[in-house]
Amino acid sequence: QSALTQPASVSGSPGQSITISCTGTSSDVGSYNLVSWYQQHPGKAPKLMIYEGSKRPSGVSNRFSGSKSGNTASLTISGLQAEDEADYYCCSYAGSSRRVFGGGTKLTVL
Amino acid sequence: EVQLVESGGGLVQPGGSLRLSCAASGFTFSSYWMSWVRQAPGKGLEWVANIKQDGSEKYYVDSVKGRFTISRDNAKNSLYLQMNSLRAEDTAVYYCARDSDLGYCSGGSCYSYGWFDPWGQGTLVTVSS
Repeated sequence: QSALTQPASVSGSPGQSITISCTGTSSDVGSYNLVSWYQQHPGKAPKLMIYEGSKRPSGVSNRFSGSKSGNTASLTISGLQAEDEADYYCCSYAGSSRRVFGGGTKLTVL
Repeated sequence: EVQLVESGGGLVQPGGSLRLSCAASGFTFSSYWMSWVRQAPGKGLEWVANIKQDGSEKYYVDSVKGRFTISRDNAKNSLYLQMNSLRAEDTAVYYCARDSDLGYCSGGSCYSYGWFDPWGQGTLVTVSS
């Protein structure tokens, strides 16, 4: 099972919006509406930001949103803030209880 | 507060064994699938294994099949990962994560398909001579 494809890095200025893509295949992202997104600050555990493609857990800012088209899922962060600087990982269900993660995207807030 | 606390990591020689533990609190442990996810130094996340609420179904990433065993003790609210025949490429921070309370059954087997929330703080496993 190959990892999902994410850009290695993205950047934006405070107040701007950025989008991180996550490309899989018809066996994972394309087959299920079960993509989740995680934020990880250096030395910390990952934190769930989006689940089932576009749903936000309680306590997560509405500046974070998710979507999917075909085999590609996307995470959009609007109104960028300094504390959004972190690594972001997508994850998709891949059948038979298996999950596959993306390689991660480093977000830099300029 | 939902909390997961891993322990048992350390330095082990190639070919050696290690048993990781994860103590859960703040939620009904027996109602959730549970997973282990690892992260090699400077690398991305990799799902390793998960286990059904009653321990009757277990699934593994191909690279650890036959070497790692996931288990749980619902009476102790604890999750375990027995790691045998360790290799250098198993070096990583291992995270315990609450998996889904959702699942489906097909063809006599049951599967989890949800997200991971929350995660423990992780425990570092280093395989080196």
